[in-house]
Formats: sequence, C-alpha cells, structure tokens
Amino acid sequence: DAGITQSPRYKITETGRQVTLMCHQTWSHSYMFWYRQDLGHGLRLIYYSAAADITDKGEVPDGYVVSRSKTENFPLTLESATRSQTSVYFCASSPTSGGAGIYNEQFFGPGTRLTVL
Amino acid sequence: GDSVTQMEGPVTLSEEAFLTINCTYTATGYPSLFWYVQYPGEGLQLLLKATKADDKGSNKGFEATYRKETTSFHLEKGSVQVSDSAVYFCALSAVGRYSTLTFGKGTMLLVSP
Repeated sequence: DAGITQSPRYKITETGRQVTLMCHQTWSHSYMFWYRQDLGHGLRLIYYSAAADITDKGEVPDGYVVSRSKTENFPLTLESATRSQTSVYFCASSPTSGGAGIYNEQFFGPGTRLTVL
Repeated sequence: GDSVTQMEGPVTLSEEAFLTINCTYTATGYPSLFWYVQYPGEGLQLLLKATKADDKGSNKGFEATYRKETTSFHLEKGSVQVSDSAVYFCALSAVGRYSTLTFGKGTMLLVSP
C-alpha cells in the first residue's frame, strides 16, 4: 500500500549532467503529472500523461524529457541539468477523468529536492 | 490564460484565531476550484473542493465558497490550531481540462500556541 513514491528524495548534481527522477504509483491511476515547486512561483506543471505512451507538455517543459512505458512509472529526465532547474519536484497521479465537469483528485508523492551546482 | 492569485504570506496567527486566506481566479467559463495543503516535508493533499457557483467545500473545520460574481474562493477556519501550520494552495481545474490543475503561489500559515 505504498501509494505514490519518488526517488531519490534528495539529489545533488552538477551542471551539464543527466539526471533522472523516478516516480512510481501502485493504484494503476491513468493520469500522472510532474510539477516543480519554487519560491514565488508555487507549483508549475512540467509534463503530464493520460496513459502509457501518451504524454503532453505542461507550462514549463523546456529542458525536461518524460516517458511512460508502464502505467505505474513516470520518470522525469533532465538531459543536461542547469542551475535554474534547482527545485523541488513533485509527482502526482489521478484516476481517469470522470468526464465533463467531474474532477478526480490528484495524489502527490513526497517530492525530490534537486540541487544543481 | 487561466490563473490563480492568492494572498502572500506568511500569515501569522495565535491558536484559536480566525483564519482567512484570500484566493481569486481568472478562467473561462466555470472552472472547478480547490484548496490543497502542504505540511512541512510532505507533498500536497486535497483539503476541499467546489465544482459550481455557490458550492461550499468543507473539511477539517476549513470552508470555502465558490463565488462566481467575485471570482473568489477564500479559505476560512473559525479557530486555528498549531497543527494547521502549513502552506495552503488555491487551484483551479479549467473547463475541458479536468485532469490538470493551475495553482496559486501558496500561502504559508504559521500558528503559535
């Protein structure tokens, strides 16, 4: 009954390195999301996925890559990390949309704090 | 585009004080509105929601009413506790995009004994 987990919880890397943040959910939720949280900006959507092999850009996708080969996993890759990508990253999942006007709650993981030196 | 504006914090209160955190939004049509809460070191949790005008969402003593005429969704609690100290986020789900959320910047609440 782990729910939604993220790994690692903390990561320090250097500019130019590739970094992958992992997200795993055990509920078989259709939708998964990646957000970044920064002071003064709140949460901003990076990418989301409606199902395996279906992904779409959010508000701030530049510099990030996602994939979703399995329903339960949604890794986020920073191909060449920059200092501006220092942030706390949250993964979330949600059941299938209930239809017009019906919102399904998003469930959040504990976050990954990433520092790019 | 859609946006959410909430009051800047931190909001500092004594235990048992009345809480109001203001939230206004800009969106097309009738979005669904939410308050999420983030306790220290944790992810966000849904606190309450309202899906149409004049709906009142409530949970754990917190309330918010969807006001279409003022495009607002202010969060209130009659008597806060130290355990309510957290960051509170107002958010909306746009019409036609019911699986994505637009968040405000968050308001930190600090409650002292």
